[in-house]
Amino acid sequence: DAEITQSPRHKITETGRQVTLACHQTWNHNNMFWYRQDLGHGLRLIHYSYGVQDTNKGEVSDGYSVSRSNTEDLPLTLESAASSQTSVYFCASSEGSGANVLTFGAGSRLTVL
Amino acid sequence: GQSLEQPSEVTAVEGAIVQINCTYQTSGFYGLSWYQQHDGGAPTFLSYNALDGLEETGRFSSFLSRSDSYGYLLLQELQMKDSASYFCAVSTYNNNDMRFGAGTRLTVKP
Repeated sequence: DAEITQSPRHKITETGRQVTLACHQTWNHNNMFWYRQDLGHGLRLIHYSYGVQDTNKGEVSDGYSVSRSNTEDLPLTLESAASSQTSVYFCASSEGSGANVLTFGAGSRLTVL
Repeated sequence: GQSLEQPSEVTAVEGAIVQINCTYQTSGFYGLSWYQQHDGGAPTFLSYNALDGLEETGRFSSFLSRSDSYGYLLLQELQMKDSASYFCAVSTYNNNDMRFGAGTRLTVKP
């Protein structure tokens, strides 16, 4: 069965360190997204991609970067982690047509100390 | 810019009907979606409206009025397992990203 997987599921890191969260999907979806979820803010879009070599900034992109070298993967990198980036991160993918239904990964909980 | 407003909390009893409203301000509005998220879980797709009117999927229905920039999710015959957070989300003509509201936490009581 097709799936979307995130790793690691839990990570604790220190301020200033570089962190990469992985997202891998086997749906063969063109569109991939990264959201962060914080209490009271719902899901906020960080970056998204419509296909290989395409990346776009979302509403809260500062301090984050992504790259899309193939269809299956969209890793999210925090260049220098900050305590404000402590959050739950969700990766999602979609076919991109019609209702644009998002399929979410299980999430990665990141704690920056 | 975009904004979505939905109530932060709703409480209802088992077997009842509950309506969760969502108002939006979005340039190039294309459609309104609803997602459910249980505590500790990932959001899952429930329903989608691009045209005015009611869409029914089992116990859940979703309504859209484009002229009023308003929609709602209707949950009937509430069950304890419906206790979760519900998010409305808008998509636009301009691109394929999706922006979410802050979510409504539904508590179903016996």
